[in-house]
Amino acid sequence: AQSVSQHNHHVILSEAASLELGCNYSYGGTVNLFWYVQYPGQHLQLLLKYFSGDPLVKGIKGFEAEFIKSKFSFNLRKPSVQWSDTAEYFCAVIPMEYGNKLVFGAGTILRVKS
Amino acid sequence: GAVVSQHPSRVICKSGTSVKIECRSLDFQATTMFWYRQFPKQSLMLMATSNEGSKATYEQGVEKDKFLINHASLTLSTLTVTSAHPEDSSFYICSARDRLGGLNEQFFGPGTRLTVL
Repeated sequence: AQSVSQHNHHVILSEAASLELGCNYSYGGTVNLFWYVQYPGQHLQLLLKYFSGDPLVKGIKGFEAEFIKSKFSFNLRKPSVQWSDTAEYFCAVIPMEYGNKLVFGAGTILRVKS
Repeated sequence: GAVVSQHPSRVICKSGTSVKIECRSLDFQATTMFWYRQFPKQSLMLMATSNEGSKATYEQGVEKDKFLINHASLTLSTLTVTSAHPEDSSFYICSARDRLGGLNEQFFGPGTRLTVL
């Protein structure tokens, strides 16, 4: 089935460690790609998005993601995490062939130890 | 800008009653709003797409007679859970797409926690 896969459900890091969260999708054709973050008790916020152009996308709070079309991937990275990055991160895809519907991955819960 | 609100944030109801959840775009007009459901420790699942002035489009497996959606204006969509049962307890989240926005970006509301006793 068509889907969005996030590789890790739980990640625990120490402050200053580097972060990479994997995201793969199985849709062909043109896609719009997103990473959302949900801090404890708060609503979903957009971290970054990719529609076209430079496949390396920079978002808020020092996050970036790289679209690798050949690998159907859109991994999220941050060179040095902070305790305040503790949250749940969702990768989401709009596969254009299926209309303007966001399909979410299962989410990755990141806990940063201070 | 691009703020979406939901009301109520939490609701507890008895089995068999109906509950209405409102989703409002506060500073933009949204021709399209989306309703999602999030179970504990799971991702958001799209329930339906709500288009202003027309019928909602429901995803496969979502009962349209159980989850009534009305998108009466460019800033308001409502989801009514009719004859709610405990299995309907969940976190319901709406999102809205800016009518004037040329890109496929959705802005999310804070969600509504529904508990059916």
